[in-house]
Amino acid sequence: NAGVTQTPKFQVLKTGQSMTLQCAQDMNHNSMYWYRQDPGMGLRLIYYSASEGTTDKGEVPNGYNVSRLNKREFSLRLESAAPSQTSVYFCASRGGPGNIQYFGAGTRLSVL
Amino acid sequence: RKEVEQDPGPFNVPEGATVAFNCTYSNSASQSFFWYRQDCRKEPKLLMSVYSSGNEDGRFTAQLNRASQYISLLIRDSKLSDSATYLCVVPRGGSQGNLIFGKGTKLSVKP
Repeated sequence: NAGVTQTPKFQVLKTGQSMTLQCAQDMNHNSMYWYRQDPGMGLRLIYYSASEGTTDKGEVPNGYNVSRLNKREFSLRLESAAPSQTSVYFCASRGGPGNIQYFGAGTRLSVL
Repeated sequence: RKEVEQDPGPFNVPEGATVAFNCTYSNSASQSFFWYRQDCRKEPKLLMSVYSSGNEDGRFTAQLNRASQYISLLIRDSKLSDSATYLCVVPRGGSQGNLIFGKGTKLSVKP
């Protein structure tokens, strides 16, 4: 049971470069999420998708875009990376009995 | 009151100790709550759901006090493997049902 799969696990970017973080879930969940986690800040919601075909901004959307490609996949794109985007990024999906949220293993991103 | 507030700790306890964490929340309409556990450099994982006044799972007991708007997590007979950060999670409210994660309470269980 793969659950939520994120790629890549690690990435180093230079300021101004772009990249896309990939996320896929195999639990047939409708809702998917992207968070960032910084020391002392906890998990902060970047974007979410309540269902296939819809996306909405979370607490900290600036500098990011998302695509809900299909029910399984939800990608996060940094168009022009900045050092302030150095963080650990977690993708999550939510559903099933108890409407539990499950997380991927995370992507550690450094922007130099 | 902040949306979700936890004592950051760290709580340093010996093996076998009983330790309790509290979490306060501001949205009085919240119905379901969760405790997640996050190990160092790992993703958060569900520890317990708290749907009514509370529930128990082995050495772990979660309690909910709606009147005072706080949730507690009690760990009995602490093990070294319980060392982690414990996140209190509360529904944000609204139709989307997004979750708010507390910043976490760090627990370190020593031999």
